[in-house]
Amino acid sequence: GQQVMQIPQYQHVQEGEDFTTYCNSSTTLSNIQWYKQRPGGHPVFLIQLVKSGEVKKQKRLTFQFGEAKKNSSLHITATQTTDVGTYFCAEVLTTDSWGKLQFGAGTQVVVTP
Amino acid sequence: NAGVTQTPKFQVLKTGQSMTLQCAQDMNHEYMSWYRQDPGMGLRLIHYSVGAGITDQGEVPNGYNVSRSTTEDFPLRLLSAAPSQTSVYFCASLSDRWAGELFFGEGSRLTVL
Repeated sequence: GQQVMQIPQYQHVQEGEDFTTYCNSSTTLSNIQWYKQRPGGHPVFLIQLVKSGEVKKQKRLTFQFGEAKKNSSLHITATQTTDVGTYFCAEVLTTDSWGKLQFGAGTQVVVTP
Repeated sequence: NAGVTQTPKFQVLKTGQSMTLQCAQDMNHEYMSWYRQDPGMGLRLIHYSVGAGITDQGEVPNGYNVSRSTTEDFPLRLLSAAPSQTSVYFCASLSDRWAGELFFGEGSRLTVL
């Protein structure tokens, strides 16, 4: 089964509001990645976090890796309709996993204009 | 640059039929993989390959077969289709273990009646 849990499963957001989605693992991770999938589309890589406590920003998106490397978050500010989609985190358990990513169930984001 | 190409995009099968989903990448990536996506389940790894002639099982391998005779191609075979295999299938490739980013194909939607 899945090792990484994503919450919430669904997120309804008013345009302009902020929201955060979380990814929690039962084990310490080598690194974690985030992907976005638009409705009817395929997953597209957003970012990879490797270091404990790492914070990375992409315009209105802020990604954080927990200090213990067991959790991660994605925060979106001033949500826009273009943010609609499902956001997945994917964990790499060890550096020997050779890309054997394990995906969470995703957070489906719906934006109301 | 075509990236990862999957065919067919849509397929309807009857229970017991067999078929092959094709996947080709033109990025000279060593690593290729197949995922299936079901509602609420995220992406689950079926099989993966770290190079020509090398394949291994993922999380949900039963009922599927793969081979990797060339770097470019990684077909997924359904041996005897079952309704439980109704899903969207994604092929993905990765350039190297340190780069981390998975490049996904556009997906193949399979319905088994």
